Amino acid sequence: QSALTQPRSVSGSPGQSVTISCTGTSSDVGGYHYVSWYQQHPGKAPKFIIYDVSKRPSGVPDRFSGSKTGNTASLTISGLQAEDESDYYCCSYAGENSWVFGGGTKLTVL
Amino acid sequence: QVQLVESGGGVVQPGGSLRLSCSASGFIFSGYAMHWVRQAPGKGLEWVSLISYDGTRQYYADSVKGRFTISRDNSKNTMYLEMNNLRTEDAAVHYCARGRLGGTGLYYFEYWGQGALVTVSS
Repeated sequence: QSALTQPRSVSGSPGQSVTISCTGTSSDVGGYHYVSWYQQHPGKAPKFIIYDVSKRPSGVPDRFSGSKTGNTASLTISGLQAEDESDYYCCSYAGENSWVFGGGTKLTVL
Repeated sequence: QVQLVESGGGVVQPGGSLRLSCSASGFIFSGYAMHWVRQAPGKGLEWVSLISYDGTRQYYADSVKGRFTISRDNSKNTMYLEMNNLRTEDAAVHYCARGRLGGTGLYYFEYWGQGALVTVSS
């Protein structure tokens, strides 16, 4: 199972919006609604921020939103804040009780 | 509040074995599927294994199949990962993660432990 493809890095200024893409195949992202996103600050455990492609767990700000078109999922962060600077990982169910993550994207808030 | 605490990490030689534990508290452990996810130094996340809420079903990534065994003891609120025939590429922080509640809950990693570092080196 190959990792999902994410850009290595993205950046934006405070208050702006950024979008992180996550490209897979019809066997994972395109084939299931079970796409999730995780935020990971350096040296910390990942934090669950999006599930079912576009739903936010309780406590996650509505600045974070998710979507999917075909084999590509996207995470959009609007109204960028300094504390959003982090690594972001997408994840998809890949069938037969297996999961695949993206390679991760480093978000820099300028 | 939900807490997951991993233990058992350490340094092991290639071909060696190690057993990780994940102690859970703050929720009804027996009601949730549990996963192991790992992260090699400076690398991305990799799903390793899943165990059903009752321990009757186990699933593994191809990279660890036949070498790792996941198990749980619901009476002790603890999950385990027995790792045998370790390779240098198994060196990583190993996280335990809890699924969400509900029928589709096992598809997600809602809460994570702080991780246990496994180093494989001669």
